[in-house]
Amino acid sequence: GQQVMQIPQYQHVQEGEDFTTYCNSSTTLSNIQWYKQRPGGHPVFLIQLVKSGEVKKQKRLTFQFGEAKKNSSLHITATQTTDVGTYFCAVFQGAQKLVFGQGTRLTINP
Amino acid sequence: DTAVSQTPKYLVTQMGNDKSIKCEQNLGHDTMYWYKQDSKKFLKIMFSYNNKELIINETVPNRFSPKSPDKAHLNLHINSLELGDSAVYFCASSPRLGFYEQYFGPGTRLTVT
Repeated sequence: GQQVMQIPQYQHVQEGEDFTTYCNSSTTLSNIQWYKQRPGGHPVFLIQLVKSGEVKKQKRLTFQFGEAKKNSSLHITATQTTDVGTYFCAVFQGAQKLVFGQGTRLTINP
Repeated sequence: DTAVSQTPKYLVTQMGNDKSIKCEQNLGHDTMYWYKQDSKKFLKIMFSYNNKELIINETVPNRFSPKSPDKAHLNLHINSLELGDSAVYFCASSPRLGFYEQYFGPGTRLTVT
């Protein structure tokens, strides 16, 4: 079934620095979702990418879906302390089962 | 007006006991899920229900039994708890089956001693 490798597992940055997390699949994906989980919180849906080469922005967050639909990235410009948390990509196996990546835990030095 | 709620938030119990976690969503969604998140933050689906019908049943010990009395509720009963069951359990819902976003509850932290 569909699986994704997410890297890095951990990232520590200074406030104001940029941050990127990547998801890679060996097979072509129908779509990919991104979630954020704050420490002690629950996953919160951020976005879904569907089209090849798609780029979507949400304020300081930029999401990309690769041309071959086998990889995706989430980039945060000028991190703030509110960006702290774990970022997950997730892909569907069939239309029913959402499989999550291992997550990238972002910590920020203020 | 919480969208997806779970009770209890924390559950501390001894090995061998039986416990239940309840979940309710007021979003009018058709599909509900149970996920387990381990200590390494790995999030894995356990079950999903669509309109009270079991759709996904992952390789979960049969000590875990979900029950959906109606499409707004999905409960999880666990028999004979083991140390390895300690985790955070999240309920989630989505509008229907398919490529939709999922809305997660606040989680239930289960600690088995």
